[in-house]
Amino acid sequence: DGGITQSPKYLFRKEGQNVTLSCEQNLNHDAMYWYRQDPGQGLRLIYYSQIVNDFQKGDIAEGYSVSREKKESFPLTVTSAQKNPTAFYLCASKGIVRGYTFGSGTRLTVV
Amino acid sequence: RKEVEQDPGPFNVPEGATVAFNCTYSNSASQSFFWYRQDCRKEPKLLMSVYSSGNEDGRFTAQLNRASQYISLLIRDSKLSDSATYLCVVNKDTDKLIFGTGTRLQVFP
Repeated sequence: DGGITQSPKYLFRKEGQNVTLSCEQNLNHDAMYWYRQDPGQGLRLIYYSQIVNDFQKGDIAEGYSVSREKKESFPLTVTSAQKNPTAFYLCASKGIVRGYTFGSGTRLTVV
Repeated sequence: RKEVEQDPGPFNVPEGATVAFNCTYSNSASQSFFWYRQDCRKEPKLLMSVYSSGNEDGRFTAQLNRASQYISLLIRDSKLSDSATYLCVVNKDTDKLIFGTGTRLQVFP
């Protein structure tokens, strides 16, 4: 059965380090998204990609970067420029039949 | 003003009760509306889409009022397993979703 896999489930980062969160899907979806969720908050859009080799900034892109070299993969890098990176990160993809599908998320903590 | 607004709750209801959640959205051009359910420390999962004519899925009924830019979710005969946070979601542009902060429901025995 197809789906989205995010890894790792938990990630600890030292201040000043870059870290990369993985998101892989085998749903053959063109569009992929990265969201951030803080406690008591809704999901906020970081970056999205509607096709391979193309992506756009969302509402809170500062301090993050992405790439979309393959249809299946949309990794997110949290750079040292992101001053408050501790959050729950969710990756999603969108298809015509199934609509939006979310991965199980990565919890990033700065130590 | 937030693009999607929900009462954060919590709503504490006994098993068997009927409970209703409301949501308002600011973008009158929005075309797609959804309710997602999110369990603690898990990803959101689609509960149901919301159609203009209203729609029902078992114990769940969703309504849309475009004139008032208002969406509702009604849960009948609440179960313990319904305890979760319910997210109101509205599309922005063609392929972007805006999420409300969620309404927390706690069903007690």
